[in-house]
Amino acid sequence: GESVGLHLPTLSVQEGDNSIINCAYSNSASDYFIWYKQESGKGPQFIIDIRSNMDKRQGQRVTVLLNKTVKHLSLQIAATQPGDSAVYFCAEMGDNFNKFYFGSGTKLNVKP
Amino acid sequence: DVKVTQSSRYLVKRTGEKVFLECVQDMDHENMFWYRQDPGLGLRLIYFSYDVKMKEKGDIPEGYSVSREKKERFSLILESASTNQTSMYLCASSPPWGTEAFFGQGTRLTVV
Repeated sequence: GESVGLHLPTLSVQEGDNSIINCAYSNSASDYFIWYKQESGKGPQFIIDIRSNMDKRQGQRVTVLLNKTVKHLSLQIAATQPGDSAVYFCAEMGDNFNKFYFGSGTKLNVKP
Repeated sequence: DVKVTQSSRYLVKRTGEKVFLECVQDMDHENMFWYRQDPGLGLRLIYFSYDVKMKEKGDIPEGYSVSREKKERFSLILESASTNQTSMYLCASSPPWGTEAFFGQGTRLTVV
C-alpha cells in the first residue's frame, strides 16, 4: 500500500521567517495531494492541494511544491506567524480514488 | 459553513463495552471515513464508506465495524473495547470526485 512520511517530526522557526515542511510519498500513481493543518484539540483543516499535473501551487502565504521525480512534496509558509503553530500533515490520494493516506505529521513551533 | 459533527469530544469506556462513535455531515457527501490518530503514527484509516450501506476496510479494521444507514451518518462501532483502542478518532467526509476531505473535531476515547 501507499506510505506517506515526513522528514522532520518537529520544526521550530522564528516569527517572520519562512517555514518549509517536507513530505515523501511512495506511490508514483498518486494523483492528488493535500496539506492539512491541525491545531491542538481540533480536527485537521485543509490548507492547500495540488494535482499531479502541476509542480507548484500558491495560496495565501502558502505554496505547495510537488516533485514527482523523487516523490516529494513540500509546504512553504511565508512570514510564519504564531497562529501557524500546529501539526501539519500531507495526505495522498492513492490508487483507490476515494482513499486518503496521511503522513505522521510535523509539529511547527513558531517562536516570538 | 460545511460541517462534520462527531457526537462526543471525550468518552471514557470500560474494557469489553460496546462503543458507538457517531458522525454526521451536512454536505451531502458520498464518501465518509473513520481514522484513528496516535502520536507518531499520524492518521490511519479504519473504514470508509462510498455510499449508503457500502463500506470498505481501511488499513486497521480489526476490532471495529461501521454502519451507514443514511447518507449523512456514519457510525464506528467497537464491538468489545480494549485498552489498545484508546485513541483520538476522527471522522471525515468528501465528495466522490476526489477533492479534500472535511474533518470533524475528533473524539478522544479512553478505554479503562
